[in-house]
Amino acid sequence: GNSVTQMEGPVTLSEEAFLTINCTYTATGYPSLFWYVQYPGEGLQLLLKATKADDKGSNKGFEATYRKETTSFHLEKGSVQVSDSAVYFCALSDRDAGNMLTFGGGTRLMVKP
Amino acid sequence: NAGVTQTPKFQVLKTGQSMTLQCAQDMNHNSMYWYRQDPGMGLRLIYYSASEGTTDKGEVPNGYNVSRLNKREFSLRLESAAPSQTSVYFCASSADRGWHEQFFGPGTRLTVL
Repeated sequence: GNSVTQMEGPVTLSEEAFLTINCTYTATGYPSLFWYVQYPGEGLQLLLKATKADDKGSNKGFEATYRKETTSFHLEKGSVQVSDSAVYFCALSDRDAGNMLTFGGGTRLMVKP
Repeated sequence: NAGVTQTPKFQVLKTGQSMTLQCAQDMNHNSMYWYRQDPGMGLRLIYYSASEGTTDKGEVPNGYNVSRLNKREFSLRLESAAPSQTSVYFCASSADRGWHEQFFGPGTRLTVL
């Protein structure tokens, strides 16, 4: 079956540091890939997505590239802010699995001033 | 726009009690979903409704029932609550089933004693 594996958190960074959150996936078909973000006390919201190999999704300074050869979709940001503190979820949607979203376990990011 | 709303925000039940979690969306979306979120496990799909009048089981349906009351509303019922159902429950909706962006409600934190 499909699965998504993320690095365990929490990840603690100082403001303006570089961020990488690793995500790898296993899928039976050719999935679309997503990053969702959950701010404290809120539901998840879509941060970015990529639907085919070598696509780069980007939003709010975050970016991730769909790497089919390494089955990865790592999230990066060049300079994090305190307001980026949240839980980040990598997810995939696979047509061969009915197009349902499969989520990773989430990675908590804490940014200190 | 309110987006996706859920009630209640918090609930404490005793083992064996029943309750219904309510969800409504005002985006005219066809598809709606119920997830549970447990620490380190990401979100797991309980049930979904691809369109009005249809419901299907997700990854973890045991102990739950759902009703798609109309296009706007999708409720989740626990007939006889168990401590293993202590979790945060999220409702989501999307334009259609599949890789379209899902919009999430703020969640219901449920504790079963």
